[in-house]
Amino acid sequence: AQTVTQSQPEMSVQEAETVTLSCTYDTSESDYYLFWYKQPPSRQMILVIRQEAYKQQNATENRFSVNFQKAAKSFSLKISDSQLGDAAMYFCAYGSGNTGKLIFGQGTTLQVKP
Amino acid sequence: NAGVTQTPKFQVLKTGQSMTLQCAQDMNHEYMSWYRQDPGMGLRLIHYSVGAGITDQGEVPNGYNVSRSTTEDFPLRLLSAAPSQTSVYFCASSQTANPNTEAFFGQGTRLTVV
Repeated sequence: AQTVTQSQPEMSVQEAETVTLSCTYDTSESDYYLFWYKQPPSRQMILVIRQEAYKQQNATENRFSVNFQKAAKSFSLKISDSQLGDAAMYFCAYGSGNTGKLIFGQGTTLQVKP
Repeated sequence: NAGVTQTPKFQVLKTGQSMTLQCAQDMNHEYMSWYRQDPGMGLRLIHYSVGAGITDQGEVPNGYNVSRSTTEDFPLRLLSAAPSQTSVYFCASSQTANPNTEAFFGQGTRLTVV
């Protein structure tokens, strides 16, 4: 069975600095997708970035980028130039096959200090 | 553009009561799902549907029923609420069950069972 682990329950970063959130996963499949979702206090789940396992190039979306290490089964999220609006809970998630099932990590709460 | 709409946003139930959490999407998505979010556990899949008339169990289906009579609606029923069902519930939809199609989430329902 696939698992996703986020070992950092809480992180903090100074505004304008860079922070990296960690995620590891376990799977025996070769074709899958990895995601980072943001959940602000409003509870809305917002897709931040997506990585396709067969693509070696790391995905980027503006200030957000990932470090995808397929052999190590690691998928970290880097937030550059952190802003107050980045404060939220961040979930790492795994998806594969045709069941549509997403497997989520435990979440990391990010605090951004002014 | 409504997207995925969940009602109600908040609900308090007494143990043993029944209720239905409503979920509707206006994007003509084939795939819909229900997750529950508990502290320290991320989101876990309850039930999912790959199309009208087709439903299947996820990771934590006990105590919940679903049906999918139309493409738009995917209600979640609690037949006899228990305190262990206190949680935040999310409905999600995507074009297909393939994880390369983006999942859109509703705003969640916070349910408390006393």
